[in-house]
Amino acid sequence: GENVEQHPSTLSVQEGDSAVIKCTYSDSASNYFPWYKQELGKGPQLIIDIRSNVGEKKDQRIAVTLNKTAKHFSLHITETQPEDSAVYFCAASKNTGFQKLVFGTGTRLLVSP
Amino acid sequence: EAQVTQNPRYLITVTGKKLTVTCSQNMNHEYMSWYRQDPGLGLRQIYYSMNVEVTDKGDVPEGYKVSRKEKRNFPLILESPSPNQTSLYFCASRSQWQGLDQPQHFGDGTRLSIL
Repeated sequence: GENVEQHPSTLSVQEGDSAVIKCTYSDSASNYFPWYKQELGKGPQLIIDIRSNVGEKKDQRIAVTLNKTAKHFSLHITETQPEDSAVYFCAASKNTGFQKLVFGTGTRLLVSP
Repeated sequence: EAQVTQNPRYLITVTGKKLTVTCSQNMNHEYMSWYRQDPGLGLRQIYYSMNVEVTDKGDVPEGYKVSRKEKRNFPLILESPSPNQTSLYFCASRSQWQGLDQPQHFGDGTRLSIL
């Protein structure tokens, strides 16, 4: 089955710096890659997603890139702010009608003022 | 407001005492799922349901049961809880549009402690 690895497990940056979180997946048939942000005491919330027919997607300060050949995808956050501090999860699934999401192990991002 | 509601949010109980965690969604979603979150392991799927009366095992189903008698509700049942089921649990739902992945909406979690 699918396996998703996520790195780093923790990431500390200064406010205004950029942050990059990387994930690799094992199943070349996977074609949907969402990113979730989990704030303290809350459930994960979708922040951006990308499908396999696209190499990059941006939404204001966040962007996701996908390299299908290497089977990895990354989350980029620019001009980080303290409110970006949270746990971020990547996930992968394939569009078979079953559509099971397999999650990475999470990255705790801390943005210091 | 579109939401997934879990109850209770926190529960401390003892080994062997049956408990049920309720999950309800108001978005008319076909697909619902339960996950557990443990440090260093991310989110692992326990059970999922594609629609009413259709349920199936996820990756870690041992010790859990579910039912889907109504579209909006998907309770998680621990018949005889054990300490290794101490975890943070999330219910999620999404629309089952044919041929296209839709984002999952998560509840705010239930923290279970089994003593």
